[in-house]
Amino acid sequence: KQEVTQIPAALSVPEGENLVLNCSFTDSAIYNLQWFRQDPGKGLTSLLLIQSSQREQTSGRLNASLDKSSGRSTLYIAASQPGDSATYLCAVLSGNTGKLIFGQGTTLQVKP
Amino acid sequence: NAGVTQTPKFQVLKTGQSMTLQCAQDMNHEYMSWYRQDPGMGLRLIHYSVGAGITDQGEVPNGYNVSRSTTEDFPLRLLSAAPSQTSVYFCASRHTGAGGPKNEQFFGPGTRLTVL
Repeated sequence: KQEVTQIPAALSVPEGENLVLNCSFTDSAIYNLQWFRQDPGKGLTSLLLIQSSQREQTSGRLNASLDKSSGRSTLYIAASQPGDSATYLCAVLSGNTGKLIFGQGTTLQVKP
Repeated sequence: NAGVTQTPKFQVLKTGQSMTLQCAQDMNHEYMSWYRQDPGMGLRLIHYSVGAGITDQGEVPNGYNVSRSTTEDFPLRLLSAAPSQTSVYFCASRHTGAGGPKNEQFFGPGTRLTVL
């Protein structure tokens, strides 16, 4: 059974710092991996999608990497800003079941 | 495109009442799904549909019904609401058919449901 784990559960950093959020998954049979952002009381916004054949994707200050063989992905946020404060969720699309499996999320606070 | 829309945004029910949460998407996506999000439990799949006329159960289907008569709409029905169904409900969709980028999941803004 696919399981997705995100570490750390919470993170607090000063503004301007570069940071890395981690996501690991137990079954390498995935179609893709998607990173989402969720603000308090809001829905999920897709940040980056990495197909299983890709190694990384970039969007602005965000860079996501995927190492399927080791079951790991990282989300790198450069020059963090208070507006980056949110919960970040990692999800894998299982190649066996076609279902999207979520991690528990990392809650990020960027202090001015 | 409006993307994935959900109504209502908020709802309060009494135990035993029934209601339907509405979900619609205008992206012509084949796959639609319903999740519930609870503190400490993350997002859990309730029901999903791979196309019009086809639905299947997810991880936590008990107490919920779905139907998919059109590509655009995927309503979630609570048959007899219970306090354990107090949650935030999200509808999602993705393209799975031929052509174009596949399998990027898009979410609606959610419905916050309280059952007293």
